[in-house]
Amino acid sequence: EDKVVQSPLSLVVHEGDTVTLNCSYEVTNFRSLLWYKQEKKAPTFLFMLTSSGIEKKSGRLSSILDKKELSSILNITATQTGDSAIYLCAVPQGGSEKLVFGKGTKLTVNP
Amino acid sequence: DVKVTQSSRYLVKRTGEKVFLECVQDMDHENMFWYRQDPGLGLRLIYFSYDVKMKEKGDIPEGYSVSREKKERFSLILESASTNQTSMYLCASRALAGFGGGFFGPGTRLTVL
Repeated sequence: EDKVVQSPLSLVVHEGDTVTLNCSYEVTNFRSLLWYKQEKKAPTFLFMLTSSGIEKKSGRLSSILDKKELSSILNITATQTGDSAIYLCAVPQGGSEKLVFGKGTKLTVNP
Repeated sequence: DVKVTQSSRYLVKRTGEKVFLECVQDMDHENMFWYRQDPGLGLRLIYFSYDVKMKEKGDIPEGYSVSREKKERFSLILESASTNQTSMYLCASRALAGFGGGFFGPGTRLTVL
């Protein structure tokens, strides 16, 4: 059964800290891994990583795919209170278009 | 700038009622999804559609059905609502694989009494 596991489930840091969020996956016919940020409402898309694009960066956020370890990390440097959110990782299931999500990491950034 | 809309933000229904949740996207995406989100359980896929009139069951389809008669519209139906279907329901749409992460609707908070 395909699955996606995120760790830690929750994390509390202070502004300015750097955080690393983890996502591991077990899927057949892996094609891509996606990261989303969910604040109070719906998730918004951050990054998509594939075999041909294993590293992405946008401002203070960056993500790397490790196909050998079947995992990905999401790094946030110099965290701000606005980074407080649930970060979700998802992988298309079994070669289809169905996205399977992990349970998410709840990040709280305190001032 | 509207991309994915859902028919209701909040909905209260009684046990046994038939409930319709509608989702509309304006991006001509092939794929549409219905998820429910519950504390501690994350986002769980109920149904997925990859084309008009085409659907696949997700991880938790029991008690739900779907309809996709037009490309832009994907409806979730609770045939006979039960209290354990109280949840946040999120619709999403996404283009074919390799074209980004897609977009989610604002969600419908459904309470079944």
